[in-house]
Parts: sequence; structure tokens; C-alpha cells
Amino acid sequence: EVQLVESGGGLVEPGESLRVSCVASGITLKDVWMSWVRQAPGKGLEWVGRIKNKGDGGTTVYAAPVKGRFTISRDDSKNTLYLQMNSLETEDTAVYYCAKYGVSGQFDYWGQGTLVTVSS
Amino acid sequence: QSALTQPASVSGSPGQSITISCTGTSSDVGGSNLVSWYQQHPGKAPKLIIYEGSRRPSGVSDRFSGSKSGNTASLTISGLQAEDEADYYCFSYERGSAFEVFGGGTKLTVL
Repeated sequence: EVQLVESGGGLVEPGESLRVSCVASGITLKDVWMSWVRQAPGKGLEWVGRIKNKGDGGTTVYAAPVKGRFTISRDDSKNTLYLQMNSLETEDTAVYYCAKYGVSGQFDYWGQGTLVTVSS
Repeated sequence: QSALTQPASVSGSPGQSITISCTGTSSDVGGSNLVSWYQQHPGKAPKLIIYEGSRRPSGVSDRFSGSKSGNTASLTISGLQAEDEADYYCFSYERGSAFEVFGGGTKLTVL
């Protein structure tokens, strides 16, 4: 059974940094594409970015609002996905989900989410 | 990249059918057969209900169906049940694209 468990959310001030994690079980992260998706309070889902599997080069792409500030990475030894968030803004306040891509670009597995609050 | 356009809300009575539209452009929905749909209940993670435009994952009720015409994808829920009350999101994926985008979401109310 595939399980994705996020952690690391919390309250930070604008301009600060935070790293959230997604530990996977039942799958090997280096073999799959993974994404981070966020949801601001009372708002819709927003695609943040993705990382390809190792075989496809492990490259990353990001949505425009976070490009240059957020970095997606993976620790294969820990089977863990990360989202490093720098220069956080109040608009980054959201629940952050990690999600696994299926072969047709769908998100077939999701974590439970971790809440990041950016406020002074 | 702009969010795909969905109606903010739809409603229906138990037993009825409803359809939620998801309109994009030829660069996303129109150019891709890889539209997926997600159901999200309050406080829960999204759940995949349709992929490749019209395919259902194992375990998803056949009351859920998907289709596409031009730049618009659609999700139809037949035989509405109280448990269908949730938010629904479409998502467009295109191989080779550097952008991926969700629809703005539709709140379904079962009257």
C-alpha cells in the first residue's frame, strides 16, 4: 500500500525559510514523478512544481509564483521528498500536499498535507 | 499559466445528474487527453476519480464519468447521493509541458 506522509509545516514570519518533507512507503521515490500541490485556506488547489524520476533525469519545474524561491529535491536513501521554501510570503500560507504522478499525468496518491502559515 | 475555468458551484437533488465543465485552451485541455478529476471533502486530501479524460480508477463508482469536447472537459455525476457533496477539481497534464494547472474548483451541493 502506498502511503505519503508530510511533515515540517508550521508558523514562520515573512522572509523566512522552511522545509517540508514527504516520507513515502510502498513506492520508491526515485522511480516515480512527484509533485507538490498547495491549497490556501478556503481556496482551490494550486500546482507548485514537480520532480521527475531518476531515469528521466530527476529534473524539476516550478509554477511561476514560486519559481526561484522554492526547490524540490529528493533523498533516495530516506525515500523522502522535500520542498525547500525560501523568502516566504504571506501568500504562501497553505496546506502543502505531496502527490505521486501516475503514468498518464494524474495524481494517483496524495499525502494528508501539512499546514504552512506565513505571518508576522 | 491561468487556472482552468470551472463553475464556482453546482447543485442537484438526490438521484439527479449534474455536469461540471472545465474550460481551458488549445495549449492545455484542448491539446491533451490527459485530463484528470479530483474529489475533495472538507479537511481531506483530494481523491482521484477520473484520469485520461474518461477512465475511472479501481474502486470509483461508475456514477462518475468524464468526457471532452474541444477545449472543454466535463465531469458528470449521475444518481447524485449525499456523499457526493464535495469540491471537484480538474487538472490538465501534457507530456513535455513545463506547466501544469488545476481548475479553480467547483462546489457541489446535494439539495
